[in-house]
Amino acid sequence: DAGVIQSPRHEVTEMGQEVTLRCKPISGHNSLFWYRQTMMRGLELLIYFNNNVPIDDSGMPEDRFSAKMPNASFSTLKIQPSEPRDSAVYFCASSLMSRAEAFFGQGTRLTVV
Amino acid sequence: AQSVSQHNHHVILSEAASLELGCNYSYGGTVNLFWYVQYPGQHLQLLLKYFSGDPLVKGIKGFEAEFIKSKFSFNLRKPSVQWSDTAEYFCAVNANTGNQFYFGTGTSLTVIP
Repeated sequence: DAGVIQSPRHEVTEMGQEVTLRCKPISGHNSLFWYRQTMMRGLELLIYFNNNVPIDDSGMPEDRFSAKMPNASFSTLKIQPSEPRDSAVYFCASSLMSRAEAFFGQGTRLTVV
Repeated sequence: AQSVSQHNHHVILSEAASLELGCNYSYGGTVNLFWYVQYPGQHLQLLLKYFSGDPLVKGIKGFEAEFIKSKFSFNLRKPSVQWSDTAEYFCAVNANTGNQFYFGTGTSLTVIP
C-alpha cells in the first residue's frame, strides 16, 4: 500500500483565495483525521471522520474551514477565504478503528501571502 | 476530555547520552498509547505503541516506553542516543471506546555529535 497520500505537497496562495487540500487514506481504513501543525500551537486536531461521517469538528478554527469525505477513499479540507495566519503544515492521517494506530501522510505545507 | 502533557519542550543531549522523555495523560478509562517521531521536514511515524499486556514496550531504533497506569504515564527511553535521533517526538493517546487521537505538544530533541 502506498500509505496516506496528500496533495499538493506545497501550496502558496494569496490571501483571500480558496485553498483545497486533498487526502487519500489507506485502503480499508475507516477513520480519517485532519491535523494542522504550527510552531506556535503544535499539532492540532481539526476534524475526524469515522466511516465517512464527521464525528468531531470542534477543532476547526472558524467557518472559513470546511472538510468533506464523500467516500471512503477521499477527503478534502477547504479554506475559503484563506488568510496568512492559516499558513501551516496540514497533515491527514487514517486508521482502522479496531487497530487504533494512525498513519500519517507527508503533509501539505501551506503558505498564504 | 482527554489531554496529553509532555513536560520537556526541548532537550539537548550529546551522543551516547541516555534519553527519557516524559508523557502524562488524563483519562480514567482504558487507553491505547503511542509515541510518534517526526524527523526534520518529514511526516509523523510510529515509534512504538501500547495496547495491553507487558507495560514495557519496545519499538524501532532502540526506543522503549513504559506504561505506568498508577501514574498515568508513558515515558519514552533510549539508553544511548545518536545524532540521527534528532527529531520531534510526540506522545499520543487514543481511548479504547473511541478513535480520537490526542497528541501532546511534542518534545524537540537535538543530539550533538
